[in-house]
Amino acid sequence: EPEVTQTPSHQVTQMGQEVILRCVPISNHLYFYWYRQILGQKVEFLVSFYNNEISEKSEIFDDQFSVERPDGSNFTLKIRSTKLEDSAMYFCASSEALQGPTEAFFGQGTRLTVV
Amino acid sequence: AQSVAQPEDQVNVAEGNPLTVKCTYSVSGNPYLFWYVQYPNRGLQFLLKYITGDNLVKGSYGFEAEFNKSQTSFHLKKPSALVSDSALYFCAVRDMSSGGSYIPTFGRGTSLIVHP
Repeated sequence: EPEVTQTPSHQVTQMGQEVILRCVPISNHLYFYWYRQILGQKVEFLVSFYNNEISEKSEIFDDQFSVERPDGSNFTLKIRSTKLEDSAMYFCASSEALQGPTEAFFGQGTRLTVV
Repeated sequence: AQSVAQPEDQVNVAEGNPLTVKCTYSVSGNPYLFWYVQYPNRGLQFLLKYITGDNLVKGSYGFEAEFNKSQTSFHLKKPSALVSDSALYFCAVRDMSSGGSYIPTFGRGTSLIVHP
């Protein structure tokens, strides 16, 4: 069964450092997403991406965040200067379509710890 | 704005007993509703969805969910719980209407613990 894969599974970084979280979406999917979950809180939408550009983003997704699809398979989330409050589980997801009742498929997540 | 509430942080049930994990939602139009499960060190796995039609939706691993429009609820159920069902369960909603957000909104998750 095809699946979304994320690397690394756990990333520890110092405050102020840049981190890149990597994702390989399902190959025939066209829409990609990043979500995050701060420990004990709800899963929050960050950004969606289609056709090499951001289609929607939340207020959380400020200038310190960026996304990129550098090649035909990877989808990355960059945090330029990490803050303690960026510590969370980050989930990548992909779906075949944006509209309609299409479910998203999620990766196993990257746990980011900012110290 | 669309939102989801999962009022219970944790649900405890004995193996063999029925289980219910609660979810209520708010959207401006009609909803698409989803349940996902997360096992330790795994991503969110799709369980089932409600689009339209029959209010009782059946999904993976013997789970089902009942859509109740008047109560704006979409509770997840299983007639007989297994220890292996112990996991984190997430409810999500998308607004069907053309003016609504296409992005699924998730609840905070409910930890289901099934005791032997």
